[in-house]
Amino acid sequence: QLQLQESGSGLVESSQTLSLTCAVSGGSITNSHSWSWIRQSPGKDLEWIGHIFPSGGTYYNPSLKSRAIMSVDRSQNQFSLKLTSVTAADTAVYYCARASAVRDSGGYSMCYFDFWGQGTLVTVSS
Amino acid sequence: DIQMTQSPSSLSASVGDRVTITCRASQTIDTYLNWYQQKPGKAPKLLIYIASTLQSGAPSRFSGSGSGTDFSLTISSLQPEDFGNYFCQQTYSVPWTFGQGTKVQF
Repeated sequence: QLQLQESGSGLVESSQTLSLTCAVSGGSITNSHSWSWIRQSPGKDLEWIGHIFPSGGTYYNPSLKSRAIMSVDRSQNQFSLKLTSVTAADTAVYYCARASAVRDSGGYSMCYFDFWGQGTLVTVSS
Repeated sequence: DIQMTQSPSSLSASVGDRVTITCRASQTIDTYLNWYQQKPGKAPKLLIYIASTLQSGAPSRFSGSGSGTDFSLTISSLQPEDFGNYFCQQTYSVPWTFGQGTKVQF
């Protein structure tokens, strides 16, 4: 059974960089899946942060104003998130997730998150 | 951004009830629509993908329907373990967005 585990800085000072890693076990970061980070504010809203494809290509949520950077380390079977210039608004539980996909009739990928990490709380202090 | 609006925001129901949650997209998303269940303190869990495909291991009492802008998640016979929050998500266009959630309580 695939498992994902987030780790990283739980407390980050305002204006600094948040760094998280998602370790994948029970399977390999292969070329057949892609990976995302999602966060959830203390209210309950889920916000998609970004996505990295097997090719290394990335999508990011424009709301983060180019502060997010994702990468994959295949040798360590993990992927990472860096979020720069954090503020209190970045305080949230951060989840990593695997995306699977089905091709539609036009060849486009219909993605869905079938495996999630347990989440890690990151608090930004002032 | 595509806005996803769920209704109701919360509902109270009894064991055995048929429950339906709706999700409306601000523009057409074909069937690029997923449903997740989240229990307190836990990560979301995939229930339905591509609008109507039941995820492996999800109980058959869950079903999804819809296309375009209007979607629904139905629980045919509510069970005690079905309490929690339910979220819809579109992956039609970036940024991928979630609904605000529906809390199911007894």
